[in-house]
Amino acid sequence: DQQVKQNSPSLSVQEGRISILNCDYTNSMFDYFLWYKKYPAEGPTFLISISSIKDKNEDGRFTVFLNKSAKHLSLHIVPSQPGDSAVYFCAANVLLTGNQFYFGTGTSLTVIP
Amino acid sequence: DGGITQSPKYLFRKEGQNVTLSCEQNLNHDAMYWYRQDPGQGLRLIYYSQIVNDFQKGDIAEGYSVSREKKESFPLTVTSAQKNPTAFYLCASRGLAGYEQYFGPGTRLTVT
Repeated sequence: DQQVKQNSPSLSVQEGRISILNCDYTNSMFDYFLWYKKYPAEGPTFLISISSIKDKNEDGRFTVFLNKSAKHLSLHIVPSQPGDSAVYFCAANVLLTGNQFYFGTGTSLTVIP
Repeated sequence: DGGITQSPKYLFRKEGQNVTLSCEQNLNHDAMYWYRQDPGQGLRLIYYSQIVNDFQKGDIAEGYSVSREKKESFPLTVTSAQKNPTAFYLCASRGLAGYEQYFGPGTRLTVT
């Protein structure tokens, strides 16, 4: 059973506009969430994270929003750049146990120049 | 440079053969993980290890085996019992004080 879901397999955005990637989860025990970026034939790289005690975390062009009541998080990239074209995975974790991370299926973002 | 290395990048094997994928890290991380990625799917956990000489099964451990004899190394063996071994395999590590995982570049295994 998929505990972390990314329902949009792909997204296309014009350069300079905002990219919004969405992620939903089902396990209310999750209290830490991460976004990873992955290029083809490479390993994912960590992008940004958020703890459940916050509802927003910002790092440069990247902002993650968490809505605990809706069990939903989103990654905003603004302005989008062609180099942002990649697959983005969200992941969730229970900090107390900390051992297992649950990943979504990924969203492929294409930023059109 | 600190990081995680996986070798080889591409691996080809005949059906019925066991194959071992290498994963080494020099980040001094305690925890290490093996994931499998298939097209259109997320990363699925095969095995993880929190400390040397200890490891736990993930969601899809059947047909795989691991060892953790050294902190730096966490090799994965894909056995002939794995029904569909062709996939992209990713190794990751995490420091116990950190929250995020660091991934290696992956190994693409093709079994024919």
